[in-house]
This record gives sequence, C-alpha cells and structure tokens, in this order.
Amino acid sequence: DQQVKQNSPSLSVQEGRISILNCDYTNSMFDYFLWYKKYPAEGPTFLISISSIKDKNEDGRFTVFLNKSAKHLSLHIVPSQPGDSAVYFCAAIPTSGTYKYIFGTGTRLKVLA
Amino acid sequence: KAGVTQTPRYLIKTRGQQVTLSCSPISGHRSVSWYQQTPGQGLQFLFEYFSETQRNKGNFPGRFSGRQFSNSRSEMNVSTLELGDSALYLCASSYDTQNTEAFFGQGTRLTVV
Repeated sequence: DQQVKQNSPSLSVQEGRISILNCDYTNSMFDYFLWYKKYPAEGPTFLISISSIKDKNEDGRFTVFLNKSAKHLSLHIVPSQPGDSAVYFCAAIPTSGTYKYIFGTGTRLKVLA
Repeated sequence: KAGVTQTPRYLIKTRGQQVTLSCSPISGHRSVSWYQQTPGQGLQFLFEYFSETQRNKGNFPGRFSGRQFSNSRSEMNVSTLELGDSALYLCASSYDTQNTEAFFGQGTRLTVV
C-alpha cells in the first residue's frame, strides 16, 4: 500500500512559469516532509523540507505547502528554469515505525525553453 | 568535503548469485540508509544503520542484509538473486538518526540476468 503518492508521473511547464508538483499521503503519523530532485545517473539531492507543525516553507524559488487536513503537500517552483527538469520525489518521515523515509513514486518535470 | 560514494556503479549478475554493494558516507556522518529504486515503485527503504547497529528495516525479504563498520562504511548483500532484484540501489548518509536531511550517493545499478 503506497502511503505517499505522486499521482502525476510527468509534468511539462514553459520556462518562466510556475511548476506545481503534488503529493498526497495517507498516514497522519508523518511529522516531516521533504522534496528531493533527481537527475539521470545521479542520486537524489535534497531540495526543501517542512515540519508538520508548519504549513509553508520557502527557499528562493522553491516553496512547499502543507495541508494537513487534506493530507496534501505541494512544491511550487517560480520561475521555472530548464535546469529544473528532473524527477522530483516527495518523502515523509513517520513519527514512529521502522521506516526512515517513505518516498512517493516521483514526478518527471520538463521545463520547456 | 567528499560526498557519499557507492561502489561499484554498475553490476551484472546471474540469477542465484549473491552480490555485495558498498557505501562510504560523508565524513563524520554516522547514519547510513539503503533504498531500492525500481520503475514505478519509487524509492523503497531497505534498512538503516547507525553505529554499526541496524536501527530500522523495511519490508524486504531476508535475502537482503547489510552491515556497518566502525568507520561508518556500510555494505549491503543480496543473496540468491532474482530477476526482480534488478534496480538502482541508493545509499544515503546523515549525521545521526535524528537528522532529517540525508545525502545520497549516485547509486549502484544492479542488473540480474
């Protein structure tokens, strides 16, 4: 059972516009969420995170929003750049249990020049 | 500061064989986690080691095992390989088990034929 879901396997956005990547989760016992970016043939790199006690965290062009009642988080990239083209994974850390990170299946973002 | 190093980068094995993958964490990091990435499944948590002790374990069969050495380097072993074990195996290191941001290596691409 996939506890963290990224329902859009791919997304294409024009350069300069906003990219919105979505992530839904089913377990309310997550207390930290992260986004990672992955280029082909490289390991994932950390992008931004948010604690469950917050609803927004911003870092430059990247903003993560958390809606706990909807069990939904989103990553906004503004403005999108061609170098942002990559696979984006959301991850959740449970408050207890045996899992360190639970990852979604990823969304491939393509920013068109 | 050197990043997380995984060796080898690529590996081809035959069904029934066993394989050992290696991970050297960032200097000073004491926690090492392993993940399996397959198409459509995202990254799935295998296990985490801290101070030579397995702290967390994911939902994988006993054919998957690991260990951590006193210098924090870690190895994972897969015995009696199956075709379905073909995947990208990623190692991540963090300073300790409470640190939420993990740094990933480039991964080992294992192909079982």
